Amino acid sequence: NAGVMQNPRHLVRRRGQEARLRCSPMKGHSHVYWYRQLPEEGLKFMVYLQKENIIDESGMPKERFSAEFPKEGPSILRIQQVVRGDSAAYFCASSLELDRSNQPQHFGDGTRLSIL
Amino acid sequence: RKEVEQDPGPFNVPEGATVAFNCTYSNSASQSFFWYRQDCRKEPKLLMSVYSSGNEDGRFTAQLNRASQYISLLIRDSKLSDSATYLCVVTPGGSNYKLTFGKGTLLTVNP
Repeated sequence: NAGVMQNPRHLVRRRGQEARLRCSPMKGHSHVYWYRQLPEEGLKFMVYLQKENIIDESGMPKERFSAEFPKEGPSILRIQQVVRGDSAAYFCASSLELDRSNQPQHFGDGTRLSIL
Repeated sequence: RKEVEQDPGPFNVPEGATVAFNCTYSNSASQSFFWYRQDCRKEPKLLMSVYSSGNEDGRFTAQLNRASQYISLLIRDSKLSDSATYLCVVTPGGSNYKLTFGKGTLLTVNP
């Protein structure tokens, strides 16, 4: 499967624990985006990363959330000290190099995070 | 006003029906426009990009009216497999990567 790979598919954490969500982009894609979908809501942009760089994190909550896309390995979305309100589906997307044309983003299956 | 607003739905139609989805966006500087579909508890999948001249892909036709800030999607001869949530997606001016999603409109095609 050459698509965007996310793991785990489902993650259960207790309040106060840490959650780590992983995303491997499509082969050849160097741009990664994270989105969050709260229950009954549309997807909301969180962060845009290229290898080793955070380009735009304007959608990230100011505290407890961080993201990285290291030179080697998958992109990681990390949520520290999780709270019930973090329960959501977290989707990763990737795209080719951006230019003036539309570059569609391809989404992974998502990680469904449940906080007990 | 929400950045992207869609018909709240849900839509229930018989097989073979024609169904239209409407969407408006608030940012007049928006650059790119898409329709995605999302099956229950699955990832969004790109259905089609939307261009000012309008575009068609088989049974699907998308239209964009920049003056009215309005986007539409028409599905002709609907199939059971078209049942899904249809998401109107826009990128704001100054950013061609920050997808802004509507809440979606649920379509159920009945036999």
